[in-house]
Amino acid sequence: QVQLQQSGAELAKPGSSVKISCKASGYTFTSYYISWIKQTTGQGLEYIGYINAGSGGTNYNENFKGKATLTVDKSSSTAFMQLSSLTPDDSAVYYCALNYGGNYFDYWGQGVMVTVSS
Amino acid sequence: DVVMTQTPVSLPVSLGGQASISCRSSQSLVHSNGNTYLHWYLQKPGQSPQLLIYRVSNRFSGVPDRFGGSGSGTDFTLKISRVEPEDLGDYYCLQSSHFPPTFGAGTKLELQ
Repeated sequence: QVQLQQSGAELAKPGSSVKISCKASGYTFTSYYISWIKQTTGQGLEYIGYINAGSGGTNYNENFKGKATLTVDKSSSTAFMQLSSLTPDDSAVYYCALNYGGNYFDYWGQGVMVTVSS
Repeated sequence: DVVMTQTPVSLPVSLGGQASISCRSSQSLVHSNGNTYLHWYLQKPGQSPQLLIYRVSNRFSGVPDRFGGSGSGTDFTLKISRVEPEDLGDYYCLQSSHFPPTFGAGTKLELQ
């Protein structure tokens, strides 16, 4: 069955970076896109961008250009998102999600809580 | 970006009753390919969002037929009949006809 297993919670200092992972299983990793979504109490669900797991091509929401960098490691069927120059506004739960059946997110990871605090 | 307006914010229901959630978009969600990419999700407390309905009215695998989606253009509705305890949580609409995909702010379905 399709599964997306994300890495554990992160506590980071302002100005630093974090890299969170999303390990996929149960399907052909390189045939689909993985998207990343941010959830906060205040802003709700925000779309960050997607990566084509086969080609590595990416497309970012303008609001996250320069903030998020999406990559994949085909050998381990893992997608990564690096968040840079962290501020308290980056504190959120971050989800990876799979575009499997079409132009929507069929399967989601369990989420990673990122807390930015000095 | 397309703004998705969901109403109501909170929806008290009785078990066995019916619920209806509205989602309106700031522009038409009819894609240039003719499809309408409007989807519905349920997020239960402490869990990730789970897909209920895709492309307006198609139930995702395993979703009971108590859930039904309808609508076109800019106006969409999710109806839940015979509400059960496991239906409680936050419901979100999502449009992916235009980039970037955008979500509604959510509707909390709770017991009356």
